[in-house]
Order: sequence, then structure tokens, then C-alpha cells
Amino acid sequence: EPEVTQTPSHQVTQMGQEVILRCVPISNHLYFYWYRQILGQKVEFLVSFYNNEISEKSEIFDDQFSVERPDGSNFTLKIRSTKLEDSAMYFCASYRQYTDTQYFGPGTRLTVL
Amino acid sequence: SQKIEQNSEALNIQEGKTATLTCNYTNYSPAYLQWYRQDPGRGPVFLLLIRENEKEKRKERLKVTFDTTLKQSLFHITASQPADSATYLCARPDSNYQLIWGAGTKLIIKP
Repeated sequence: EPEVTQTPSHQVTQMGQEVILRCVPISNHLYFYWYRQILGQKVEFLVSFYNNEISEKSEIFDDQFSVERPDGSNFTLKIRSTKLEDSAMYFCASYRQYTDTQYFGPGTRLTVL
Repeated sequence: SQKIEQNSEALNIQEGKTATLTCNYTNYSPAYLQWYRQDPGRGPVFLLLIRENEKEKRKERLKVTFDTTLKQSLFHITASQPADSATYLCARPDSNYQLIWGAGTKLIIKP
């Protein structure tokens, strides 16, 4: 069964550094999402991406964040200048239209020191 | 704004019994609600979706109900097993299908 994959599984970075989190969604899915989950808190929506552009973003997704689909398979989340409060699990999800089901990757644990 | 409320306290159930988890939502009824399972350090795993016009949906030992009058969904696990221990998340869609999540209920099944 196809699945969403994410790399790396754990990223440790210094405050102020740039990080890129990578995701390979399920092929033939058209909608892509990034969510984050701070330890012990609920899952929060960051951004949705459709047809090679952002379709919606939350207030969390400020100018420090960007997303890209550089080729036909990868979907990336970039944080330009990480802050301590960016430490969280970041989940990528993909969705095929009319199924109403999002499939999640295993997540990347980001630790900002 | 739409909210999803789940009982944040852990639920302890004896093995073999039925576990029932509650999800309440605010504002208008969503077109559907979804239930996911999340194990520590892992991503959410889709379990069941129930639509607004469905009262009940079943999948093996799982059952979900949707009551638009009470603005509530119930998630049941029958004949519970220790392997069912996890956090169960309820979610509703927003525009562009992104999900709004509850905080999850931690379920502990004791042998």
C-alpha cells in the first residue's frame, strides 16, 4: 500500500538556522498539507498546497515558512530562521480528491537548540 | 471559529470491555468527522470517517456515531485489547479539506 514518507526522521538545529523538511506524498494525490504538533499539544494545520500553489495557510505559517514542490514527487517545508518555539513534530499529509481521507507521514521531529 | 473538543483525561478500560470516546464540535455540523489513532512519536493513522447523513459506521471492532443534534461523535472499541492503547484523535475538515483537530484522548487498556 502506498504511503507518505518524510525525511529526516529527526532534525536538530541551532536557533536562527534554516531547515528543510522533506516529504514524498502518495503519487496521484493532488492536495498536500503540513501540520505540526508541539509535544503534548494538539495537531495544528500549517499550510495546504494544491496545483503548485498555497491554497490556504494558518496564522502560524508566517514569513519564516515556505513550501515548495520542486519536482513531481517531493514536497518541502522550509523554515528560514528557526526559533526555539519551532521545536515540534512536523507531519506531511496528502489527500486524493473525493476520498475525504488524508494520509499522514511518520513525521519529522525538529529540535531547535 | 470551529472547535473540536475531546476529553483530555486518559481513559482506563479493562481488557475485553468497550471503550467509548467522545468528540464534540462547535458551530455548524461538518460534512464529515474523522477519527485517527496516534501512537507516541508517530503520525496520525486514519481509522474511520462518518458523514453528516450517516448515524453510524462500523469497521471490525470499531464503531463511530454522529449526532448532529448533540453536535457529537462517539467512537467505540468493542472487545478492547492492550494493543488498542493509544491516543485517539477526532478531526473535522475546514476549507480546502485541511483538518481541525481535537486534543485527543489517551486510551489505556489494562490486561
